[in-house]
Amino acid sequence: AQSVTQPDIHITVSEGASLELRCNYSYGATPYLFWYVQSPGQGLQLLLKYFSGDTLVQGIKGFEAEFKRSQSSFNLRKPSVHWSDAAEYFCAVGAFGNEKLTFGTGTRLTIIP
Amino acid sequence: DVKVTQSSRYLVKRTGEKVFLECVQDMDHENMFWYRQDPGLGLRLIYFSYDVKMKEKGDIPEGYSVSREKKERFSLILESASTNQTSMYLCASSGGGRAGADTQYFGPGTRLTVL
Repeated sequence: AQSVTQPDIHITVSEGASLELRCNYSYGATPYLFWYVQSPGQGLQLLLKYFSGDTLVQGIKGFEAEFKRSQSSFNLRKPSVHWSDAAEYFCAVGAFGNEKLTFGTGTRLTIIP
Repeated sequence: DVKVTQSSRYLVKRTGEKVFLECVQDMDHENMFWYRQDPGLGLRLIYFSYDVKMKEKGDIPEGYSVSREKKERFSLILESASTNQTSMYLCASSGGGRAGADTQYFGPGTRLTVL
Protein backbone atom coordinates (compact mmCIF):
# COMPACT_ATOMS: atom_id res chain seq x y z
CA ALA A 1 0.00 0.00 0.00
CA GLN A 2 1.16 3.50 -0.71
CA SER A 3 1.74 6.01 2.08
CA VAL A 4 3.00 9.54 2.55
CA THR A 5 4.76 11.16 5.50
CA GLN A 6 5.09 14.87 6.04
CA PRO A 7 7.32 15.04 9.11
CA ASP A 8 6.81 18.74 9.84
CA ILE A 9 3.41 19.67 11.24
CA HIS A 10 4.14 23.40 11.38
CA ILE A 11 6.94 25.54 9.95
CA THR A 12 7.55 29.24 10.49
CA VAL A 13 9.78 31.23 8.15
CA SER A 14 10.52 34.89 7.65
CA GLU A 15 9.26 36.66 4.57
CA GLY A 16 11.96 36.56 1.90
CA ALA A 17 13.63 33.47 3.35
CA SER A 18 13.93 30.19 1.51
CA LEU A 19 11.59 27.31 2.18
CA GLU A 20 11.76 23.53 2.02
CA LEU A 21 8.83 21.30 2.97
CA ARG A 22 9.57 17.62 3.34
CA CYS A 23 7.64 14.70 1.89
CA ASN A 24 8.57 11.04 2.06
CA TYR A 25 6.55 8.35 0.33
CA SER A 26 6.33 4.60 0.39
CA TYR A 27 5.48 2.79 -2.80
CA GLY A 28 7.04 -0.16 -4.62
CA ALA A 29 7.00 1.12 -8.19
CA THR A 30 7.39 4.56 -9.73
CA PRO A 31 4.97 6.84 -7.92
CA TYR A 32 2.94 9.74 -9.19
CA LEU A 33 3.63 12.62 -6.80
CA PHE A 34 1.71 15.81 -6.14
CA TRP A 35 1.90 18.93 -4.00
CA TYR A 36 -1.26 20.83 -3.17
CA VAL A 37 -1.80 24.07 -1.26
CA GLN A 38 -4.84 24.97 0.82
CA SER A 39 -5.51 28.54 1.87
CA PRO A 40 -7.67 29.02 4.99
CA GLY A 41 -11.26 27.96 4.41
CA GLN A 42 -10.59 26.88 0.84
CA GLY A 43 -10.24 23.70 -1.18
CA LEU A 44 -6.93 22.33 -2.38
CA GLN A 45 -5.09 23.77 -5.37
CA LEU A 46 -2.47 21.86 -7.33
CA LEU A 47 1.02 23.37 -7.11
CA LEU A 48 2.90 20.79 -9.17
CA LYS A 49 3.08 17.10 -10.03
CA TYR A 50 5.60 14.47 -11.08
CA PHE A 51 4.72 11.50 -13.25
CA SER A 52 7.99 10.74 -15.05
CA GLY A 53 10.94 12.40 -16.79
CA ASP A 54 12.92 15.28 -15.35
CA THR A 55 13.13 14.84 -11.59
CA LEU A 56 13.05 18.60 -10.93
CA VAL A 57 9.52 19.85 -11.45
CA GLN A 58 8.45 23.47 -11.70
CA GLY A 59 5.06 24.55 -10.47
CA ILE A 60 2.93 27.61 -9.99
CA LYS A 61 3.68 30.52 -7.63
CA GLY A 62 7.45 29.99 -7.96
CA PHE A 63 7.49 26.55 -6.29
CA GLU A 64 9.57 23.58 -7.38
CA ALA A 65 10.03 20.02 -6.15
CA GLU A 66 12.64 17.36 -6.70
CA PHE A 67 11.93 13.64 -6.93
CA LYS A 68 14.71 11.60 -5.32
CA ARG A 69 14.05 7.91 -5.75
CA SER A 70 16.99 6.85 -3.58
CA GLN A 71 15.60 8.82 -0.65
CA SER A 72 11.90 8.22 -1.43
CA SER A 73 11.40 11.94 -1.17
CA PHE A 74 9.63 14.70 -3.05
CA ASN A 75 10.48 17.91 -1.17
CA LEU A 76 8.90 21.22 -2.07
CA ARG A 77 11.08 24.34 -2.29
CA LYS A 78 10.77 28.03 -2.86
CA PRO A 79 13.76 30.40 -2.91
CA SER A 80 11.97 33.38 -1.35
CA VAL A 81 8.60 33.17 0.39
CA HIS A 82 5.92 35.84 0.36
CA TRP A 83 3.34 36.53 3.05
CA SER A 84 0.68 35.15 0.69
CA ASP A 85 2.35 31.71 0.83
CA ALA A 86 1.01 31.20 4.36
CA ALA A 87 -1.23 28.15 3.98
CA GLU A 88 -1.33 24.40 4.52
CA TYR A 89 0.59 22.21 2.11
CA PHE A 90 -0.21 18.61 1.29
CA CYS A 91 1.91 16.02 -0.45
CA ALA A 92 0.11 13.15 -2.19
CA VAL A 93 1.12 9.91 -3.91
CA GLY A 94 -0.68 7.92 -6.58
CA ALA A 95 0.11 5.14 -9.00
CA PHE A 96 -0.60 3.76 -12.43
CA GLY A 97 -3.73 1.64 -12.37
CA ASN A 98 -5.11 3.20 -9.20
CA GLU A 99 -7.45 6.18 -9.37
CA LYS A 100 -6.93 7.13 -5.74
CA LEU A 101 -4.39 9.45 -4.16
CA THR A 102 -3.00 9.05 -0.66
CA PHE A 103 -2.45 12.36 1.11
CA GLY A 104 -0.04 13.28 3.85
CA THR A 105 -1.26 14.96 7.02
CA GLY A 106 -0.12 18.37 5.84
CA THR A 107 2.38 21.05 6.89
CA ARG A 108 1.09 24.41 8.04
CA LEU A 109 3.30 27.30 6.93
CA THR A 110 3.39 30.55 8.86
CA ILE A 111 5.21 33.58 7.47
CA ILE A 112 6.56 36.26 9.82
CA PRO A 113 7.40 39.77 8.64
CA ASP B 1 -10.46 25.83 -15.98
CA VAL B 2 -11.93 22.90 -14.15
CA LYS B 3 -14.64 23.91 -11.79
CA VAL B 4 -15.88 21.81 -8.90
CA THR B 5 -18.70 23.29 -6.89
CA GLN B 6 -20.21 22.16 -3.61
CA SER B 7 -23.77 22.96 -2.62
CA SER B 8 -22.97 24.65 0.70
CA ARG B 9 -19.92 26.27 2.31
CA TYR B 10 -21.32 25.96 5.82
CA LEU B 11 -23.99 23.64 7.17
CA VAL B 12 -25.37 23.13 10.68
CA LYS B 13 -27.48 20.04 11.36
CA ARG B 14 -28.87 18.23 14.37
CA THR B 15 -27.96 14.74 15.52
CA GLY B 16 -30.05 12.13 13.72
CA GLU B 17 -30.86 14.28 10.69
CA LYS B 18 -30.27 12.98 7.17
CA VAL B 19 -27.76 15.22 5.45
CA PHE B 20 -27.04 15.61 1.75
CA LEU B 21 -23.86 17.17 0.43
CA GLU B 22 -23.77 17.74 -3.30
CA CYS B 23 -20.86 18.19 -5.67
CA VAL B 24 -20.90 19.14 -9.34
CA GLN B 25 -17.98 19.19 -11.79
CA ASP B 26 -17.99 20.71 -15.26
CA MET B 27 -15.09 18.88 -16.95
CA ASP B 28 -16.72 15.57 -17.89
CA HIS B 29 -14.42 13.74 -15.47
CA GLU B 30 -14.95 10.05 -14.90
CA ASN B 31 -13.76 9.97 -11.30
CA MET B 32 -15.22 11.79 -8.34
CA PHE B 33 -14.20 11.62 -4.69
CA TRP B 34 -15.45 12.57 -1.25
CA TYR B 35 -12.94 13.27 1.53
CA ARG B 36 -13.22 14.48 5.07
CA GLN B 37 -10.51 16.69 6.51
CA ASP B 38 -9.75 16.88 10.21
CA PRO B 39 -6.85 18.68 11.94
CA GLY B 40 -3.79 16.46 12.19
CA LEU B 41 -5.34 13.71 10.11
CA GLY B 42 -5.08 15.20 6.62
CA LEU B 43 -7.55 14.09 3.97
CA ARG B 44 -9.24 10.74 4.37
CA LEU B 45 -11.16 9.17 1.51
CA ILE B 46 -14.78 8.33 2.27
CA TYR B 47 -16.01 7.07 -1.12
CA PHE B 48 -15.16 7.46 -4.74
CA SER B 49 -16.95 6.85 -8.00
CA TYR B 50 -15.34 5.91 -11.31
CA ASP B 51 -18.50 6.04 -13.42
CA VAL B 52 -22.20 6.76 -13.21
CA LYS B 53 -23.82 4.46 -10.64
CA MET B 54 -20.42 2.94 -9.79
CA LYS B 55 -18.80 3.48 -6.42
CA GLU B 56 -16.16 2.06 -4.16
CA LYS B 57 -15.57 2.47 -0.46
CA GLY B 58 -12.63 4.49 0.66
CA ASP B 59 -10.85 4.35 3.99
CA ILE B 60 -13.68 5.58 6.24
CA PRO B 61 -17.07 4.75 4.66
CA GLU B 62 -18.93 3.93 7.89
CA GLY B 63 -21.92 6.18 8.44
CA TYR B 64 -21.89 7.50 4.87
CA SER B 65 -23.37 6.57 1.52
CA VAL B 66 -23.06 8.11 -1.94
CA SER B 67 -25.06 8.51 -5.10
CA ARG B 68 -23.97 9.20 -8.66
CA GLU B 69 -26.92 9.29 -11.03
CA LYS B 70 -25.32 11.69 -13.51
CA LYS B 71 -21.70 11.95 -14.55
CA GLU B 72 -21.27 15.50 -13.33
CA ARG B 73 -22.89 15.09 -9.90
CA PHE B 74 -21.74 13.12 -6.85
CA SER B 75 -23.69 13.26 -3.60
CA LEU B 76 -22.57 12.31 -0.11
CA ILE B 77 -25.28 11.24 2.31
CA LEU B 78 -25.10 11.06 6.06
CA GLU B 79 -27.99 8.73 6.88
CA SER B 80 -28.19 9.78 10.52
CA ALA B 81 -25.79 12.56 11.38
CA SER B 82 -23.72 12.25 14.53
CA THR B 83 -21.50 14.75 16.32
CA ASN B 84 -18.37 12.84 15.32
CA GLN B 85 -19.20 13.65 11.70
CA THR B 86 -18.56 17.33 12.34
CA SER B 87 -15.79 18.05 9.85
CA MET B 88 -14.74 19.72 6.60
CA TYR B 89 -15.92 17.74 3.58
CA LEU B 90 -14.08 18.09 0.29
CA CYS B 91 -15.20 16.88 -3.11
CA ALA B 92 -12.76 16.28 -5.97
CA SER B 93 -12.83 15.06 -9.55
CA SER B 94 -10.24 13.70 -11.96
CA GLY B 95 -10.05 12.40 -15.50
CA GLY B 96 -8.16 9.35 -16.69
CA GLY B 97 -10.80 6.78 -15.84
CA ARG B 98 -9.37 3.68 -14.18
CA ALA B 99 -5.96 3.98 -15.88
CA GLY B 100 -4.31 5.55 -12.91
CA ALA B 101 -3.94 8.49 -10.63
CA ASP B 102 -4.41 11.86 -12.20
CA THR B 103 -4.64 15.40 -10.93
CA GLN B 104 -7.61 15.80 -8.63
CA TYR B 105 -9.46 19.10 -8.74
CA PHE B 106 -11.11 20.16 -5.51
CA GLY B 107 -14.20 22.08 -4.57
CA PRO B 108 -14.10 24.78 -1.87
CA GLY B 109 -15.33 22.42 0.84
CA THR B 110 -18.36 22.22 3.11
CA ARG B 111 -17.84 22.78 6.80
CA LEU B 112 -20.47 20.65 8.52
CA THR B 113 -21.34 21.06 12.17
CA VAL B 114 -23.58 18.47 13.82
CA LEU B 115 -25.12 19.60 17.11
